[in-house]
Amino acid sequence: EAQVTQNPRYLITVTGKKLTVTCSQNMNHEYMSWYRQDPGLGLRQIYYSMNVEVTDKGDVPEGYKVSRKEKRNFPLILESPSPNQTSLYFCASSQSRTGSSYNSPLHFGNGTRLTVT
Amino acid sequence: QQQVKQSPQSLIVQKGGISIINCAYENTAFDYFPWYQQFPGKGPALLIAIRPDVSEKKEGRFTISFNKSAKQFSLHIMDSQPGDSATYFCAASEVGRGSTLGRLYFGRGTQLTVWP
Repeated sequence: EAQVTQNPRYLITVTGKKLTVTCSQNMNHEYMSWYRQDPGLGLRQIYYSMNVEVTDKGDVPEGYKVSRKEKRNFPLILESPSPNQTSLYFCASSQSRTGSSYNSPLHFGNGTRLTVT
Repeated sequence: QQQVKQSPQSLIVQKGGISIINCAYENTAFDYFPWYQQFPGKGPALLIAIRPDVSEKKEGRFTISFNKSAKQFSLHIMDSQPGDSATYFCAASEVGRGSTLGRLYFGRGTQLTVWP
């Protein structure tokens, strides 16, 4: 089944403890991206990657890191999490190298709910 | 700066009624306008999309109306059902120009509740 898989689904951590949220897609997609979803703010892009070893900042990159060493994986790293990073995180991928198009929609994972205390 | 503005933030509709969600944009270079549907505990999923060369796209009970001159587009859900209760996001992008121009800009979402 074609899908974007995120792990873990739920994560509770403390301020300053480094964590990684994994994302993997099995559709051989070029483009991958991370979003955070907060009430009233919708989906905001954190980072994206158009190809292996190519990553760039989205709208809210502060406090996050990413890497794209393999085409299928795009982990999100929080080196020193803070309470304002408590959010629902989504990984997404698309066959379109630029992010999304009429014939190559964006596919989302089922999310990771992160709580930082 | 918000690229796509969506309203209302929440919407309550009686079963069988029409749900209407509106979006507006400023960038006239946008040429791809999808709507995503998100159920609790799930990621958003593509519902329906339209290109600006048509004024309407219909798929079952879901219709996108597009007004290029007003830079507005809307989602209409006919005969709304309790199973349609979800969060809906409109989005826009400039496709096919390379670089970051295919990136999707999302509205802030509308939480739709359909009462039985």
